[in-house]
Amino acid sequence: EDQVTQSPEALRLQEGESSSLNCSYTVSGLRGLFWYRQDPGKGPEFLFTLYSAGEEKEKERLKATLTKKESFLHITAPKPEDSATYLCAVHGSGNTGKLIFGQGTTLQVKP
Amino acid sequence: EPEVTQTPSHQVTQMGQEVILRCVPISNHLYFYWYRQILGQKVEFLVSFYNNEISEKSEIFDDQFSVERPDGSNFTLKIRSTKLEDSAMYFCASSVFDREGYTFGSGTRLTVV
Repeated sequence: EDQVTQSPEALRLQEGESSSLNCSYTVSGLRGLFWYRQDPGKGPEFLFTLYSAGEEKEKERLKATLTKKESFLHITAPKPEDSATYLCAVHGSGNTGKLIFGQGTTLQVKP
Repeated sequence: EPEVTQTPSHQVTQMGQEVILRCVPISNHLYFYWYRQILGQKVEFLVSFYNNEISEKSEIFDDQFSVERPDGSNFTLKIRSTKLEDSAMYFCASSVFDREGYTFGSGTRLTVV
């Protein structure tokens, strides 16, 4: 069964304090791993898609990496506006559009 | 930037009533989805829709649920007889292809009383 586990559940950082969020997954044939940002009461906002081990993508202070078992979302010098819940999801083979989400990591960045 | 639009943003309904949640996907997208998120829980897949038919549905998507694309722009989710446990945020999403990042709407908060 496809499964996604994110850690930690919650993370508090001081502004400028870099850190990483982890997403471990098991899937029968990965077709894509997705990172989303979700603000309270809002829908997930697309950040990245990674398709194969070794792939990396960057956007402003965020960098996503992928191995065969996990993905990391690195946050460099975060700002208070980076505070949100970050969701990881996988699209397994044999599925048609179905994403399996993790429970998310809630990030709080204090000024 | 193109966006997925959902209406209403919040709906309160009595148990046993029918509700229709509406979505306008991005115009050139071909794949459409409904997900839900019960408060404090994971985002869960409900159904995917392509070429005017359901391509996959989850165990949650039982006979009480149906989807429709009545015209070229709207995509609806109907719950025939709501239950208390249907209370959740319902998200519509769309994509050009089925492998790429989907664009989600802001959601409809459904409260069943």
